Amino acid sequence: GAVVSQHPSRVICKSGTSVKIECRSLDFQATTMFWYRQFPKQSLMLMATSNEGSKATYEQGVEKDKFLINHASLTLSTLTVTSAHPEDSSFYICSARGGFGSYNEQFFGPGTRLTVL
Amino acid sequence: GQQLNQSPQSMFIQEGEDVSMNCTSSSIFNTWLWYKQDPGEGPVLLIALYKAGELTSNGRLTAQFGITRKDSFLNISASIPSDVGIYFCAGSYNTNAGKSTFGDGTTLTVKP
Repeated sequence: GAVVSQHPSRVICKSGTSVKIECRSLDFQATTMFWYRQFPKQSLMLMATSNEGSKATYEQGVEKDKFLINHASLTLSTLTVTSAHPEDSSFYICSARGGFGSYNEQFFGPGTRLTVL
Repeated sequence: GQQLNQSPQSMFIQEGEDVSMNCTSSSIFNTWLWYKQDPGEGPVLLIALYKAGELTSNGRLTAQFGITRKDSFLNISASIPSDVGIYFCAGSYNTNAGKSTFGDGTTLTVKP
């Protein structure tokens, strides 16, 4: 149980285009999903917290118009990187919480490697 | 805000050796989580701790929730090559919207 998937696993796009990343909880309902960004050899940086049916809460310094988050159902959240630029290239990881163990346990997806040319 | 100090930053050990890493916090948590991340993958939950003083094992892994609620350690016994990866601790407090604060990670290298 507690499986989280992400799609796509890798994406290469041109500067100025938008990229959508999907995060799904496959075998449980996720009341909350989190989106992280990770640079090489660094820890996870929380970007935003997403609750089903409500607006995402963004961390300080994260542009909400740049990183659009939609949590349309209890099993799906999407992150759209709008007008991507090379500095947006990174490893994006989602996690989902709910249904298992402690209220605070998060289960992570496999990540999406974004490369902006 | 909350800060986690995870140490050591990296470890190079021989196969068969035991490993210990720990995290300390400037504030208390009511959940401690330990994750392992392989290159190019998302973190995988290894052990979750819910009570101060709790000691939990998962195979060769053992973790403890510190009595002060501000620290936790993870031990790996008899390391094997597949233990290689980055280990993250994370602390959570219920009133923080379920957000976890992550340590900077411990990179483990196991030499056969």
